[in-house]
Amino acid sequence: QKEVEQNSGPLSVPEGAIASLNCTYSDRVSQSFFWYRQYSGKSPELIMSIYSNGDKEDGRFTAQLNKASQYVSLLIRDSQPSDSATYLCAVASGSARQLTFGSGTQLTVLP
Amino acid sequence: DAGVTQSPTHLIKTRGQHVTLRCSPISGHKSVSWYQQVLGQGPQFIFQYYEKEERGRGNFPDRFSARQFPNYSSELNVNALLLGDSALYLCASSLDIREFSPLHFGNGTRLTVT
Repeated sequence: QKEVEQNSGPLSVPEGAIASLNCTYSDRVSQSFFWYRQYSGKSPELIMSIYSNGDKEDGRFTAQLNKASQYVSLLIRDSQPSDSATYLCAVASGSARQLTFGSGTQLTVLP
Repeated sequence: DAGVTQSPTHLIKTRGQHVTLRCSPISGHKSVSWYQQVLGQGPQFIFQYYEKEERGRGNFPDRFSARQFPNYSSELNVNALLLGDSALYLCASSLDIREFSPLHFGNGTRLTVT
């Protein structure tokens, strides 16, 4: 059974700080990794995708992937109250072509 | 550009009834997937369709079925509704079925079964 694990939180950081969100996955053949942001009562919104080992930066967001450790993370720099949401890690594997989601980490950025 | 559109936005049904949920993908997207999200959990995969053919099915009972039309829109049908079917049903579209093709979600249909 393919699993994606996230710390459920809640995670609270002060405004301006770096928020660090972590995710581990069980399927070694996983190739594609995504971070989605979901505001309460809304649908998930894609914010980052990463396919190769290393770091990928997009504005205040940095995704990090380590396939040997089966670990993917998301860093949010200069956190803003508007970043307060649930962050979902999602993994796509091999021929399955569907995403397996973690249960999400609830982030609160305190003004 | 219009994103993924789903209808209806909210639905209340009673146990034993059936329901049909509808989805229109982003223009140019040929693959549609359906996910169920129970409160407090991540979305769980139900179906994926591409070019009107089922390409993937999650661990859901046969009460759940779906189809994709020539214009790439899709319907999800659920028969003999149970209280446990209450959830947010999400439709997502992607350009194709390559693994690297990101999914873009619609706003979902919130189904309440009483």
